[in-house]
Amino acid sequence: ILNVEQSPQSLHVQEGDSTNFTCSFPSSNFYALHWYRWETAKSPEALFVMTLNGDEKKKGRISATLNTKEGYSYLYIKGSQPEDSATYLCAFLENTGNQFYFGTGTSLTVIP
Amino acid sequence: DADVTQTPRNRITKTGKRIMLECSQTKGHDRMYWYRQDPGLGLRLIYYSFDVKDINKGEISDGYSVSRQAQAKFSLSLESAIPNQTALYFCATGRDYTDTQYFGPGTRLTVL
Repeated sequence: ILNVEQSPQSLHVQEGDSTNFTCSFPSSNFYALHWYRWETAKSPEALFVMTLNGDEKKKGRISATLNTKEGYSYLYIKGSQPEDSATYLCAFLENTGNQFYFGTGTSLTVIP
Repeated sequence: DADVTQTPRNRITKTGKRIMLECSQTKGHDRMYWYRQDPGLGLRLIYYSFDVKDINKGEISDGYSVSRQAQAKFSLSLESAIPNQTALYFCATGRDYTDTQYFGPGTRLTVL
């Protein structure tokens, strides 16, 4: 069983603030890292799939970076809006390409 | 129509009962997964299948079995349900490791 950690566990920010959170994973045996957005009472939805060291992905106000050598990925949200409120999950895929290991998520609340 | 469907959406059962959760997908993906989500623990992999003849155990397969009846259908069974199997269960599909996973709406199972 691999250890994937996300921090912080929860976060409250004011509307308009920018924020970021971290996903840490084993630096060896890396294959891919996925980010998902999970709203209450819904199912997780994909944000990014990252496979190469130094990858940077962007979708609107949300972006992510990847450092496979040191075993972390950052997710950034610029100018947070109330609709960004959700739990953000990362999932590490080890080098057999078979099993995903999910972090426990960062719960973001954006206060209007 | 949803690409990944799960039935039932909610189920309350008693200890010792056999229960089956069903998952169907219209995405044409070979890979299918069953996860459970418990508060504070994140998503944990129960079983995964890469095609009809390929079934593999995940992190927490004890007490569960699966059946891949067709490319589009992947069922999870609890042969004799116990209270600590109370959880939210998600089915997911994927094309390969470079593709995101697509999650069903979840089944909330309560074992009394």
